[in-house]
Amino acid sequence: DTAVSQTPKYLVTQMGNDKSIKCEQNLGHDTMYWYKQDSKKFLKIMFSYNNKELIINETVPNRFSPKSPDKAHLNLHINSLELGDSAVYFCASTRGSDSYNEQFFGPGTRLTVL
Amino acid sequence: LAKTTQPISMDSYEGQEVNITCSHNNIATNDYITWYQQFPSQGPRFIIQGYKTKVTNEVASLFIPADRKSSTLSLPRVSLSDTAVYYCLVGGPFSGGYNKLIFGAGTRLAVHP
Repeated sequence: DTAVSQTPKYLVTQMGNDKSIKCEQNLGHDTMYWYKQDSKKFLKIMFSYNNKELIINETVPNRFSPKSPDKAHLNLHINSLELGDSAVYFCASTRGSDSYNEQFFGPGTRLTVL
Repeated sequence: LAKTTQPISMDSYEGQEVNITCSHNNIATNDYITWYQQFPSQGPRFIIQGYKTKVTNEVASLFIPADRKSSTLSLPRVSLSDTAVYYCLVGGPFSGGYNKLIFGAGTRLAVHP
């Protein structure tokens, strides 16, 4: 009965490749997020979707494209991977549209670009 | 968005009470104060949230003075399993758009035997 799940947990790939990370929440939440945590452990928000609508789009290269097929899923597709994309990516969800509500995080996807 | 400042790291011993203070001088009237805990290789986990005075749950207490320019997370009788990074965040509802929480560097708490 995992609340927020992500696949894969680990992703190792070569520069220039295209990859996707999937996220699903079974909490019935309306809003989902993607965060990036770099090697210095700073957690930065990338995107947020509320009921499949993009509501937060931070300064992220357009190689990153989120997609929300329904409000329980938020996927992240990354084109032309670069070394600097190596990080842990966390998906999160929250009730309603306010990010200050309790956010439930997934286990993370560790992306390594070689 | 209110910026937060908290110690980079703290050390404690099992059984002690740990207090982590966070400064947020430009907190807005509508902002709440929220703390998250993150263990290595895991996503952050919500611990506690408050607006003013004191909030207590089964995990921690949150003390907020009247001016709300700071807050203190109190962990009673820590154990080794409380070793983690603790993030203090401020944010709340506002009209005209969607808000977002900003995670700072957090405080690395190391609990020793």
